[in-house]
Amino acid sequence: GAVVSQHPSWVICKSGTSVKIECRSLDFQATTMFWYRQFPKQSLMLMATSNEGSKATYEQGVEKDKFLINHASLTLSTLTVTSAHPEDSSFYICSAISRGGLTDTQYFGPGTRLTVL
Amino acid sequence: AQSVTQLDSHVSVSEGTPVLLRCNYSSSYSPSLFWYVQHPNKGLQLLLKYTSAATLVKGINGFEAEFKKSETSFHLTKPSAHMSDAAEYFCVVSDLVSSASKIIFGSGTRLSIRP
Repeated sequence: GAVVSQHPSWVICKSGTSVKIECRSLDFQATTMFWYRQFPKQSLMLMATSNEGSKATYEQGVEKDKFLINHASLTLSTLTVTSAHPEDSSFYICSAISRGGLTDTQYFGPGTRLTVL
Repeated sequence: AQSVTQLDSHVSVSEGTPVLLRCNYSSSYSPSLFWYVQHPNKGLQLLLKYTSAATLVKGINGFEAEFKKSETSFHLTKPSAHMSDAAEYFCVVSDLVSSASKIIFGSGTRLSIRP
């Protein structure tokens, strides 16, 4: 199956700093990538939908200036958490949809655990 | 509008006995339905998907699910549970009509397997 990677797998940062998380589709071109947030023992919450070459569409309640998303190529999307605070600590997961697919099967990255001190 | 409801937050079964994880959905269009599994500290893995073909869908690791439009259900089953099946399971609904492909996750069901 299709492979999606995320880097880093975990990161610890100080409050007030910015953290960038990369999501890559390794063996297919992803026209659309999604960013999710998952709190402990909870389901995934969709944060934003990212289409290659255009601005991301954010879900209600997600601050676009805080969570900057860039999808500059068909294989890479980045999420930057700006001026991170402890409440931003969470598990961030990306997914990608294969271009030209007849279905909308998502392939998920392994996730990035962010801890803000 | 779409929604998905996983009826049980936690299911516990004995090893070797059947597994049933329940999922009900609502969708304005013909939905695509998925089951994903998440093992502790691991990424999400696709178990199976329904996309308007056969209503009985077979997935990996012996799991299968049946799409029942009249009941708006997509329950996940396995005839005989294995210890390695212990994980969190998510039912997901999305539609094929919108290019934005809205995707909704259920709240998850934690499956525990008793020896």
